[in-house]
Amino acid sequence: RKEVEQDPGPFNVPEGATVAFNCTYSNSASQSFFWYRQDCRKEPKLLMSVYSSGNEDGRFTAQLNRASQYISLLIRDSKLSDSATYLCVVNPNNNDMRFGAGTRLTVKP
Amino acid sequence: EAQVTQNPRYLITVTGKKLTVTCSQNMNHEYMSWYRQDPGLGLRQIYYSMNVEVTDKGDVPEGYKVSRKEKRNFPLILESPSPNQTSLYFCASSLYATRYEQYFGPGTRLTVT
Repeated sequence: RKEVEQDPGPFNVPEGATVAFNCTYSNSASQSFFWYRQDCRKEPKLLMSVYSSGNEDGRFTAQLNRASQYISLLIRDSKLSDSATYLCVVNPNNNDMRFGAGTRLTVKP
Repeated sequence: EAQVTQNPRYLITVTGKKLTVTCSQNMNHEYMSWYRQDPGLGLRQIYYSMNVEVTDKGDVPEGYKVSRKEKRNFPLILESPSPNQTSLYFCASSLYATRYEQYFGPGTRLTVT
């Protein structure tokens, strides 16, 4: 079983749609959680950290469920510019990071 | 401008020919790391460094070496590249450790024939 698993997609949605991604992780001792965004053939960039209480940044909402060991990302009112691959990232300790393989999103006009 | 730079961006080489990919950051970050990205596998950590002269293996260190003689630089060395090291490589840095935001370089696409 992979340490971090994501639905690879692709998710194809129309502009204005709401889309949700889930990610599960296997190490129950993991402490930090993130969503990164990666455009085609570019470097990953931090989208948002995921806090235990859940957090929101504009159209993006991240949730953490420690009991079930999953993280979610909700994108409301999708824009064409949201098309990218979204990477779920988990820190099992202070030294290394575990990346999911990514979920590809395409927002269509 | 705060950034992580990598060179070269693209490299085609032959099996067994030693190569070095440079990585440099100008943000005075303590932590630096190298990843490779392959289709369907996501990013996998090769090596990381918590500080100058401190390096440690990640998930896939075989066939790679690193050094951290200065805070800003963290080169990746392939002593004898093989075709299974064909991949997209990213260097990253963060303020201290992995619970802080990772800043990635633009990537190096390596092909070993």
